[in-house]
Amino acid sequence: AQSVTQLDSQVPVFEEAPVELRCNYSSSVSVYLFWYVQYPNQGLQLLLKYLSGSTLVESINGFEAEFNKSQTSFHLRKPSVHISDTAEYFCAVSEAGAQKLVFGQGTRLTINP
Amino acid sequence: DTGVSQDPRHKITKRGQNVTFRCDPISEHNRLYWYRQTLGQGPEFLTYFQNEAQLEKSRLLSDRFSAERPKGSFSTLEIQRTEQGDSAMYLCASSLGLAGATQYFGPGTRLTVL
Repeated sequence: AQSVTQLDSQVPVFEEAPVELRCNYSSSVSVYLFWYVQYPNQGLQLLLKYLSGSTLVESINGFEAEFNKSQTSFHLRKPSVHISDTAEYFCAVSEAGAQKLVFGQGTRLTINP
Repeated sequence: DTGVSQDPRHKITKRGQNVTFRCDPISEHNRLYWYRQTLGQGPEFLTYFQNEAQLEKSRLLSDRFSAERPKGSFSTLEIQRTEQGDSAMYLCASSLGLAGATQYFGPGTRLTVL
């Protein structure tokens, strides 16, 4: 059965510092990978996703994630965070041919000035 | 705003009562999903529809839960004989019927069972 592990439940960083949010998954078949973000008092929004092709995917607000098949990871990175990046970030996976998303438990990113 | 909408946003009920939630998906989306999220956890899949057909149900969906999507448009999720353990945020999402299609989530209905 597929599962997703987000290794850090909370990540505090200073503004303009780099950040990495870690995500590992387990699956025996091909997968699609997603990062969703939930800003305070808002619903889940897609940040970026990997379906196929280039293993490095980027979002419009400076985040990027790299699919590493051998390590079954899809870590999210940003070279310089802003206060507005404060949110909870969820990694999710769906198996090719399946429809449901399996989510990790989330990582709360807190940006300190 | 043409996003996914859910109603009500909050529901407080007493144990043993029945509750029903509604989800209106993005109009051109033929897939509709229900998830449940408890505090400190990621969303957990409950069920999904393609048009009006319910194609998959999670083991989390006990026989007290029933979901419908008549005419392939809006969907309802009913919980009968609510229990305190049913307290959670119930999320609806919709997507196009394509492999890897993005699921767009609604704001959720927060259920509190007293």
